[in-house]
Parts: sequence; structure tokens; C-alpha cells
Amino acid sequence: GAVVSQHPSWVICKSGTSVKIECRSLDFQATTMFWYRQFPKQSLMLMATSNEGSKATYEQGVEKDKFLINHASLTLSTLTVTSAHPEDSSFYICSAASPGANQPQHFGDGTRLSIL
Amino acid sequence: AQSVTQLDSQVPVFEEAPVELRCNYSSSVSVYLFWYVQYPNQGLQLLLKYLSGSTLVKGINGFEAEFNKSQTSFHLRKPSVHISDTAEYFCAVTPNTGGFKTIFGAGTRLFVKA
Repeated sequence: GAVVSQHPSWVICKSGTSVKIECRSLDFQATTMFWYRQFPKQSLMLMATSNEGSKATYEQGVEKDKFLINHASLTLSTLTVTSAHPEDSSFYICSAASPGANQPQHFGDGTRLSIL
Repeated sequence: AQSVTQLDSQVPVFEEAPVELRCNYSSSVSVYLFWYVQYPNQGLQLLLKYLSGSTLVKGINGFEAEFNKSQTSFHLRKPSVHISDTAEYFCAVTPNTGGFKTIFGAGTRLFVKA
């Protein structure tokens, strides 16, 4: 089945550091990938839709300059949290949809980001 | 616009008992429906999906769900749960008008007790 790999799974860094998270579709091409943020005991909050070869579409309230998204190929999207602060600590999850309008999303295993 | 309501935030149940996790949705267009499971510190895994056809959908791990269009519901059921079913369950909808934007419910924590 379709596999999405997310890396790293856990990162701890100092405040002010920029952190890059990678999301790869391993056995299918994904023109669209999604980035979510999940707070403890809460649902997934869509941050942005990442489109291959074009700018990402951000949800209302999500800072574009804070969360940089690059989707340079059909199998890779990256999320960079720039100048991270403790309030950016969260669980970040990416997903990609197999080609076709009615295909479910396939999720990566998430990245636990802790900013000290 | 679409919305998804999971009626129970937590469902405690004894091992080998049946369980139902409730999900209602609202949408001005037709939607595809999904149930996902999330284990601690992991991403989401697809349990089952309804696209069209038979309203009773069978998924992995013995789960099934029934689509009820008149009640706009998509409840998840399992006749006999195991300790290993303890996890967070998310109901989700995607409009079938194109695009992939998925709306998730708030989640239901299933806790299976011995």
C-alpha cells in the first residue's frame, strides 16, 4: 500500500533554531501533500496544502513566514519551522493523497518537535 | 463547508465487549467518509472508507461502519474489542467535488479495560 515517510520522528532544539521536517511518498507520486499540527489530546489542525511546483496554500491564522513549505518534487515536501520558539512545540504530521479524487490520505508517523 | 462531530470524546469499554463510536457530519455537497486510528506518538492509519455503493463498509482489525445518508452519520463498530484497540479514532470527510481537503472530527479516545 501507499507509504508516507516523515523524518525526523523526534527533534529537540534550542529556541531560535530553524527546524526542517521532510515528508516523502515512497511508492507513489503525490502532487498534493498536507501539513497538520496536533496539540495534545486534540484533533489535527490543517496548516497548509503543499502543491508540487507551486506555492503552498496556508490556512487562516498560519504564518507563512514562520512555517515555510517547499514541494520541489512529486515525492517530497518539506516544512521548515523558522526561528522556532517554545510555543511552536507540537506534533506535526504530513499526509499525501494517492492520485485520484476519491483516494484517502496516507499519513506519515509524525514529528514531535520540542523547543527549549 | 463541511463539519464533523464525534459525539463522544472518550469511550471506556471492557475487553471482548462490543463498541460503537459515533460520527455525524454536515455538508452541502456529497462527501467521502473515512475512519482513521492513531496510536500514541504515531500518524494516522486508515481503518475504512466509504466512497459509494454498499452503506456497510468493512475495514481492518475487525471494524466496520455504516453510512446513513438520512441521518448524516457514519458510526464505527466492532463486535468484540481487544486491549490493543485502545487508541484515538478520528472520523473524517472529504468533499467529492475535487481537491483533497479533509475535515477531521475532534477524535474519540477508546479505552479498552481488562
